[in-house]
This record gives sequence, C-alpha cells and structure tokens, in this order.
Amino acid sequence: GAVVSQHPSWVICKSGTSVKIECRSLDFQATTMFWYRQFPKQSLMLMATSNEGSKATYEQGVEKDKFLINHASLTLSTLTVTSAHPEDSSFYICSARPWTSGRFMSDTQYFGPGTRLTVL
Amino acid sequence: AQRVTQPEKLLSVFKGAPVELKCNYSYSGSPELFWYVQYSRQRLQLLLRHISRESIKGFTADLNKGETSFHLKKPFAQEEDSAMYYCALSGPAQGGSEKLVFGKGTKLTVNP
Repeated sequence: GAVVSQHPSWVICKSGTSVKIECRSLDFQATTMFWYRQFPKQSLMLMATSNEGSKATYEQGVEKDKFLINHASLTLSTLTVTSAHPEDSSFYICSARPWTSGRFMSDTQYFGPGTRLTVL
Repeated sequence: AQRVTQPEKLLSVFKGAPVELKCNYSYSGSPELFWYVQYSRQRLQLLLRHISRESIKGFTADLNKGETSFHLKKPFAQEEDSAMYYCALSGPAQGGSEKLVFGKGTKLTVNP
C-alpha cells in the first residue's frame, strides 16, 4: 500500500533555531503533499499545499516566511519552521496523493505518522 | 465556509452494542465526505468515503444532504474499534487544489 514517512518523529529545539521536517512518499510519486498542524486534543488544520516544482500555497493565516516548504522531488517535501518559538510547539503531519501518468491515481490522501515538535 | 462538526468528543459503548458517531457539515457546493480513523499509536488512515458507498470493518455512513449529515454507524461494536474517528470534507484550498477539512474528532471506546 501507499506509505508516507516523516523524519524526525520527534524533535526538541531551543527557541530561535530552525527545524526541518521531511515528508517522503515511499512507494509512489506525489506531485501534491499537504502539511497539517494538530494541537493537543484538537483537529488537524491544513497549513499549506506543497506542489512539486512550484511554490507552496498557504492557507489563510499561515505565515509562509515562518513555515518554509520545499517540494524538490516527486517523493519528498520538507517543512522548515524558521526561528521557532514555544508557540510553534505542535504535532505536524503530512499527507500525499498518489500521482502517475499525468493524473492523480486516487483522491485519497495517505498520511505520515507525524512529527512532534517541542520548542523550549 | 466549509465546516465539519462532530458534537461528541467522547463516546463509550459496550462490546456488541450499536454505535453511531455523528458528523454534520456545512458546505455550499456538492460535498465529498470521508471518515478517517486513528488507532492508538498509529497514523491517520481512511476508513470510508461516501462516494464508494461501501462497508469497511462493518462501518457504514450515509450522506444525508437534507440534514447535512454523514453519521458513521456500526450495528455491533468490537473492542478493536476503539480509536479516534475524524469526519472530513473535501473542499477547495488556496490556489485551486482540494483540501480536507476535519472535524475535531470523536474518541470511541468499546468496553468489554
């Protein structure tokens, strides 16, 4: 089946540092990946849509200079939280839609296991 | 605006009892609805979608446009059904692609 991995699974960093989170589709290609944020006991909120070979599109209220997204290949998207602060502490989840032969194989999104970020 | 409401944060039933997880939505267009499930220490995964009209693990969900609901039902709950359940709606994202809007989730506990 379609598998999405994330690395790291958890990270602790000091305030002011930048943290990069990787999202990989292991057995399929994905021109589109999605980045979500989940606060404790709350739902997933879409932050941005990552598009291979072009700029990411951010949801309203999400700072694009704060959350840098790079989708350099058909199997990898990265989210960099720049100058992280304690309020950025959260659970970040990515998902991907399989793509082949110029079209989406499925409208199903496959989710990664998530990355727990704690900013001290 | 797109919105998904799951009124119950927690739902507890006994094994063998029927279970219904409620989901209501707000969407001006033609909705595409999903149920996702997250078992303990596992990632979010698709349970079912209204388009396919299928039954997965004994669960069914019917889209009721009149009541704007997409409740998830199972006639006889099993202990292994204990999980977090999210209702989601597919709608337009910024830039023209589609996005999933999730409800806040319902934690189902099936007691022995």
